[in-house]
Amino acid sequence: TQLLEQSPQFLSIQEGENLTVYCNSSSVFSSLQWYRQEPGEGPVLLVTVVTGGEVKKLKRLTFQFGDARKDSSLHITAAQPGDTGLYLCAGETSYDKVIFGPGTSLSVIP
Amino acid sequence: KAGVTQTPRYLIKTRGQQVTLSCSPISGHRSVSWYQQTPGQGLQFLFEYFSETQRNKGNFPGRFSGRQFSNSRSEMNVSTLELGDSALYLCASSYWTKQPSGELFFGEGSRLTVL
Repeated sequence: TQLLEQSPQFLSIQEGENLTVYCNSSSVFSSLQWYRQEPGEGPVLLVTVVTGGEVKKLKRLTFQFGDARKDSSLHITAAQPGDTGLYLCAGETSYDKVIFGPGTSLSVIP
Repeated sequence: KAGVTQTPRYLIKTRGQQVTLSCSPISGHRSVSWYQQTPGQGLQFLFEYFSETQRNKGNFPGRFSGRQFSNSRSEMNVSTLELGDSALYLCASSYWTKQPSGELFFGEGSRLTVL
């Protein structure tokens, strides 16, 4: 069974601070996605990474896919209250099934 | 274009009853996936349908079932409800079904409470 783990589970930081959240697995994924979910809404895609070692930047967010395609990280620079939400990583298994990690709940305090 | 629409948004049932949830995907999307989200387990994959065929299934008991119609709309059914079925049920549609997966577009979910 392919599983994704995320850390930390909860994170509360002050506005302007930097943070990194992690997504790990013992399995290889063909691609990995990051989503953000806000209360009362469904998750919204932030990025998809496909190639081992790939780095993608989306404004203040930097995403990295591990060389072995088993892990990923999301780094946020100068966090803002609008970044508050549940960050979910999702991996595509060899059976074309997309599974999700448990999420990191981020709270950015003004 | 219109997003993914799920109905009903909220519902309350009692143990032993059954429930049917509906999902209308984005126009042109032929893949529909269902997920169960709970605070303790996160998002758990239920099943995926593509062109009226179930392509993948998660590790849920047979009480959970689904189907997809020719217009890509999908329904999921849970029979003999248990307290542990209380959750947010999310539907997601996508255009591609080949790897790498395209973006999953989620609806706002149907929040089920079982008393």
